[in-house]
Amino acid sequence: ETGVTQSPTHLIKTRGQQVTLRCSSQSGHNTVSWYQQALGQGPQFIFQYYREEENGRGNFPPRFSGLQFPNYSSELNVNALELDDSALYLCASSRPGSTNEKLFFGSGTQLSVL
Amino acid sequence: GESVGLHLPTLSVQEGDNSIINCAYSNSASDYFIWYKQESGKGPQFIIDIRSNMDKRQGQRVTVLLNKTVKHLSLQIAATQPGDSAVYFCAEAGRGSSNTGKLIFGQGTTLQVKP
Repeated sequence: ETGVTQSPTHLIKTRGQQVTLRCSSQSGHNTVSWYQQALGQGPQFIFQYYREEENGRGNFPPRFSGLQFPNYSSELNVNALELDDSALYLCASSRPGSTNEKLFFGSGTQLSVL
Repeated sequence: GESVGLHLPTLSVQEGDNSIINCAYSNSASDYFIWYKQESGKGPQFIIDIRSNMDKRQGQRVTVLLNKTVKHLSLQIAATQPGDSAVYFCAEAGRGSSNTGKLIFGQGTTLQVKP
């Protein structure tokens, strides 16, 4: 059984650019959630995808968008990057029928916006 | 509003002692609580969870206590080991479709284990 994998592990972008982060869910999991973790803070919920549709969203602007594919993998897209978008972006998956419980996290993508 | 907070930012304990990490939550509608451990360079790792219809739940060397009256959650680690050094987060999930997929995390407590 493979765990949650994220790519890339590190990324440097400049303000105004766009970025795409990728996530493969744990084997057997069909729900993917994305979190933003600023330095020294707890993760903050961005949104969740279930059956290829957004299924809950946190307090993030529309320039944060996502996709889920038939194989349950997911992408997080951020447009018009701002300096405050610098953070660790975490992807988490959960088993079928458990959309908001016992999330299994990947190691994250560290995004730096210069 | 909703918030989950931890009482102490850093906890330092001697190897072999028991550790207690505390967490306060404000949303009385929350019905599911989880503790996560995050080591440097890694994502949060699930430790233990508890539902609001329980007061206590035990795992391997860990116990979670839930006091709904004062909206308080604690994580007890028995015989703390150097490998327990990490940041610990409590998180809550609320009821209802509006909270689907949303875990609210506290700020975290750093546990330092002294040899």
